[in-house]
Amino acid sequence: EDQVTQSPEALRLQEGESSSLNCSYTVSGLRGLFWYRQDPGKGPEFLFTLYSAGEEKEKERLKATLTKKESFLHITAPKPEDSATYLCAVQRGSRLTFGEGTQLTVNP
Amino acid sequence: ETGVTQTPRHLVMGMTNKKSLKCEQHLGHNAMYWYKQSAKKPLELMFVYNFKEQTENNSVPSRFSPECPNSSHLFLHLHTLQPEDSALYLCASSQAGADQETQYFGPGTRLLVL
Repeated sequence: EDQVTQSPEALRLQEGESSSLNCSYTVSGLRGLFWYRQDPGKGPEFLFTLYSAGEEKEKERLKATLTKKESFLHITAPKPEDSATYLCAVQRGSRLTFGEGTQLTVNP
Repeated sequence: ETGVTQTPRHLVMGMTNKKSLKCEQHLGHNAMYWYKQSAKKPLELMFVYNFKEQTENNSVPSRFSPECPNSSHLFLHLHTLQPEDSALYLCASSQAGADQETQYFGPGTRLLVL
C-alpha cells in the first residue's frame, strides 16, 4: 500500500525566515512525486512534479528536491502570501496518494 | 472558462434529498477524477474515468453515483447521504498515458449534509 507522510503538520514562520517541509513516502513503482498548494476553500494548485532521485525544481521562493525515500519543499525568504497548505502526493499508474499536508503560516 | 470548473460551489442538503455535482474540464484531457477531502484527512480518491469509462471505484458507497457522458464532463449524483459525507468534493482531470501526467483540480464543491 502506498503511503505518504508529511511533516510538520503545521508551521509558523516570520516573513523572511526560510524553512523546509518534508514528505516521506513508500510506493512501489514511483511514477512521479507531486507538490500542490491549497488555499482555504479552494482546490489544490499544481506546483511541481519530480520524477527521479536527485531531481530539483524551483519556482520563485520554492524549491523541491527528491530522494528515494523523501522529498523536501524548501521555502526561501517566505512572504505572507505563501501562507497555504502544501500537499505532497505520489503517483503509481494514474493513481495519486496524498499526504495530510503541512499548513504553513507566514507572519508579516 | 479555463481549467476545471465545478458547480455548485456550495451545497446544503438533507439526508433524503437527491442532488448532483457537476464538473467540466476545458483542458482537452481524457481522464477525470472525483476526490473527497474531509477535515484533517488526506484527499481520498473516489472514482476514475478514462475515455468516459470508469476504471476505478475506490470502495465508495452506492449513495454516490458517478456519470461521465463525455471526456469533458463528470457528474456525481448524491442520494440519501449521511452527515459524515459532509466534505469538500474535488474534481480533477489529466491526460492519461502522457509521459508527464499531471492532475489539475477544480475549486471544489463544499457539501453540508444535515
